[in-house]
Amino acid sequence: DTGVSQNPRHKITKRGQNVTFRCDPISEHNRLYWYRQTLGQGPEFLTYFQNEAQLEKSRLLSDRFSAERPKGSFSTLEIQRTEQGDSAMYLCASSSRGSLNYGYTFGSGTRLTVV
Amino acid sequence: GENVEQHPSTLSVQEGDSAVIKCTYSDSASNYFPWYKQELGKGPQLIIDIRSNVGEKKDQRIAVTLNKTAKHFSLHITETQPEDSAVYFCAAPGYGGSQGNLIFGKGTKLSVKP
Repeated sequence: DTGVSQNPRHKITKRGQNVTFRCDPISEHNRLYWYRQTLGQGPEFLTYFQNEAQLEKSRLLSDRFSAERPKGSFSTLEIQRTEQGDSAMYLCASSSRGSLNYGYTFGSGTRLTVV
Repeated sequence: GENVEQHPSTLSVQEGDSAVIKCTYSDSASNYFPWYKQELGKGPQLIIDIRSNVGEKKDQRIAVTLNKTAKHFSLHITETQPEDSAVYFCAAPGYGGSQGNLIFGKGTKLSVKP
């Protein structure tokens, strides 16, 4: 296990379609985060899990977005009825609360393009 | 809630010179301040962080300083090299010290000219 893995790396979809992204965190990390990053901006928080519990969710997160982490391991982020404004890089990160270093380890992201 | 401002947005230096990037934050309860480096096509990578109980931390050519009174922290890179060229982001906890949610600055694009 060498890092956070995200799939797919790229996704092009038509407006109105549903898409689902997967994140596999570092195995010993119990916290998992989803962020969104648009061009020229810093990552923007979407939601985070501690084990299987979703503990925080951004107020900016539309009802079309849902995330799960059913067994406290991998997570999925689903966007329903995609809109052009959803085009962005979706980043997953994980961290271990028990470590002295609380810093996230990010994956390489899934780039979504809605056409 | 927390607000993080980062300056400058772009920075160009000659190889071997130093680079300094500054961030301010608004929530006095924030106690953890990481810096991330993002290369093209990759996710951000943690390069250094500092907690509010210290004023400075160094790791080889990289250092971070924190001024809690003024609520600002800075990234210092000495003896810059072309491979330091990337976008750098500062961040602070979103809710009074919680590490569940980081608020990121808008980034600084650093270019190191050979």
